[in-house]
Amino acid sequence: KNEVEQSPQNLTAQEGEFITINCSYSVGISALHWLQQHPGGGIVSLFMLSSGKKKHGRLIATINIQEKHSSLHITASHPRDSAVYICAAPTPSNTGNQFYFGTGTSLTVIP
Amino acid sequence: NAGVTQTPKFRVLKTGQSMTLLCAQDMNHEYMYWYRQDPGMGLRLIHYSVGEGTTAKGEVPDGYNVSRLKKQNFLLGLESAAPSQTSVYFCASSYPADRSRRGYTFGSGTRLTVV
Repeated sequence: KNEVEQSPQNLTAQEGEFITINCSYSVGISALHWLQQHPGGGIVSLFMLSSGKKKHGRLIATINIQEKHSSLHITASHPRDSAVYICAAPTPSNTGNQFYFGTGTSLTVIP
Repeated sequence: NAGVTQTPKFRVLKTGQSMTLLCAQDMNHEYMYWYRQDPGMGLRLIHYSVGEGTTAKGEVPDGYNVSRLKKQNFLLGLESAAPSQTSVYFCASSYPADRSRRGYTFGSGTRLTVV
């Protein structure tokens, strides 16, 4: 049983396309994280959001706490956006900051 | 630059060998974590620490040991490496009890191959 499900698992897009990655979770949470992992690189936190929408450059993240669903959008995609995008939901554990991680969406943007 | 530093970045081990992965952070974070990342399985927590001198088991602790002798360092040890431990290992750190308001900081990963 996966507490956090992402779709699609793999995504290929042409440069300039609008991209959407979805994340659904089964646990009750107050916030959700979106992470980015470049090939061969580390993991960077993109967003942490608890309601509504956040925007950073061409990246937009939305969340609906009642529906337990979040989306990450990329406008005017570029090859440098090629990466694995991971959503993460905090666990109910009271010890340590632990997360349920999605398996990631591998995005390839073709020039 | 402030952040989480992992060493080494790459390592190849023979079955049965031992090694230690080092994680160092300079952000004065209380909490530190070791994860492994395998294809199709996402990040899985191995061990974590909520402060200097403390450690706790995560989701997949078998075959690993950890130590947190200094607040800024979190070591992951493999006493007798097995091919099943071939993976990419990530260290992370964070402030305590604040997971809904602050993000983690991850290291750049260690790619370990056990042959």
